[in-house]
Amino acid sequence: EAGVAQSPRYKIIEKRQSVAFWCNPISGHATLYWYQQILGQGPKLLIQFQNNGVVDDSQLPKDRFSAERLKGVDSTLKIQPAKLEDSAVYLCASSVRTHEKLFFGSGTQLSVL
Amino acid sequence: AQTVTQSQPEMSVQEAETVTLSCTYDTSESDYYLFWYKQPPSRQMILVIRQEAYKQQNATENRFSVNFQKAAKSFSLKISDSQLGDAAMYFCALGGADGLTFGKGTHLIIQP
Repeated sequence: EAGVAQSPRYKIIEKRQSVAFWCNPISGHATLYWYQQILGQGPKLLIQFQNNGVVDDSQLPKDRFSAERLKGVDSTLKIQPAKLEDSAVYLCASSVRTHEKLFFGSGTQLSVL
Repeated sequence: AQTVTQSQPEMSVQEAETVTLSCTYDTSESDYYLFWYKQPPSRQMILVIRQEAYKQQNATENRFSVNFQKAAKSFSLKISDSQLGDAAMYFCALGGADGLTFGKGTHLIIQP
């Protein structure tokens, strides 16, 4: 079974630039999550999709972050413009249903200079 | 709001010995799930063990077991016969209506 795919693995940008991350969940998984993990902390949920609808985006900084999941499969997370405090690992995860086992990708490590 | 607290930033154990990682949580829900995830340097989060709150029996997965104390809102992870490959960050997580909330993690070091 293929796992959750994420790209790129690393990204370095300057503040005020834009960046996008891509996630391909496990086939058949209806629920997709984006987490932000700042160094030394646990992951924090940014947004949760059920198929192509948003279930929870209460912790997404909507003035600069956006995410979409077209056709209920792949998802893209965008930051525009980036700030220094956005430096973190961005993890994508998927599950068959909410509360079921989450499968995580290897994440994208973002450095904002 | 739901919270998860891991009070041990770092733990160290000799290979082949037993170690227990602590976790406490707070939630107003009656239906929730608890998880322990392992995160090696590769960054990929790997599920170690899962516990449904309505089940009284403690979950067990090979060398990994939990001590779930619902009234005390405590969910500790016991690793028996520690192996070098167990070295990683361990995160306790609570799954409820607010999604999955993680603690800050415990860095587990295995001494050969």
